Amino acid sequence: GAVVSQHPSWVICKSGTSVKIECRSLDFQATTMFWYRQFPKQSLMLMATSNEGSKATYEQGVEKDKFLINHASLTLSTLTVTSAHPEDSSFYICSAHSGQGGQPQHFGDGTRLSIL
Amino acid sequence: AQSVTQPDIHITVSEGASLELRCNYSYGATPYLFWYVQSPGQGLQLLLKYFSGDTLVQGIKGFEAEFKRSQSSFNLRKPSVHWSDAAEYFCAVQGGYNQGGKLIFGQGTELSVKP
Repeated sequence: GAVVSQHPSWVICKSGTSVKIECRSLDFQATTMFWYRQFPKQSLMLMATSNEGSKATYEQGVEKDKFLINHASLTLSTLTVTSAHPEDSSFYICSAHSGQGGQPQHFGDGTRLSIL
Repeated sequence: AQSVTQPDIHITVSEGASLELRCNYSYGATPYLFWYVQSPGQGLQLLLKYFSGDTLVQGIKGFEAEFKRSQSSFNLRKPSVHWSDAAEYFCAVQGGYNQGGKLIFGQGTELSVKP
């Protein structure tokens, strides 16, 4: 089946630093990648949708200057949390999609981000 | 607007008992429907999907789901639950072939399994 690798799985850093999370589709071409944030005991909250080679589309209320998304190839998207603060601490999950309607999203294993 | 409702926030069943997790959706046409499972601290794993055709779909780990258009439901079932099935379950709808794969998720149902 389709495999999506997300790295790192866990990161702790100081307030004010920037953190980059990578999402790779290992065995298929991902025209679209999605980035989610998940709070404890809650559902996934879509942050942004990125299409290969174009600017990401951010959901309402998500700061595009805080959460920088790059999707430079059909197998790699990155999320950079800039100048991270404790309120950015969360579980971030990416998913990849082939771009074909009706096909499922395939998810990475998530990144636990803790800002001290 | 599209929406997904999972009425049960938390369900507890005994190991070996049958399971049914409810999912209701709101969408103007026939949607693409999915069930995902999430173990603590992990991403989501696809259990099964419905596109069209047979309304009873089989998935991995012994799960199945039935699409009922008249009830706008897509309930997930398993005849005999195992302790390893304890997890969070999400129902999701993808609306339209040209929606680029975007999913609308339900709130999730947490499944606990009693020994």
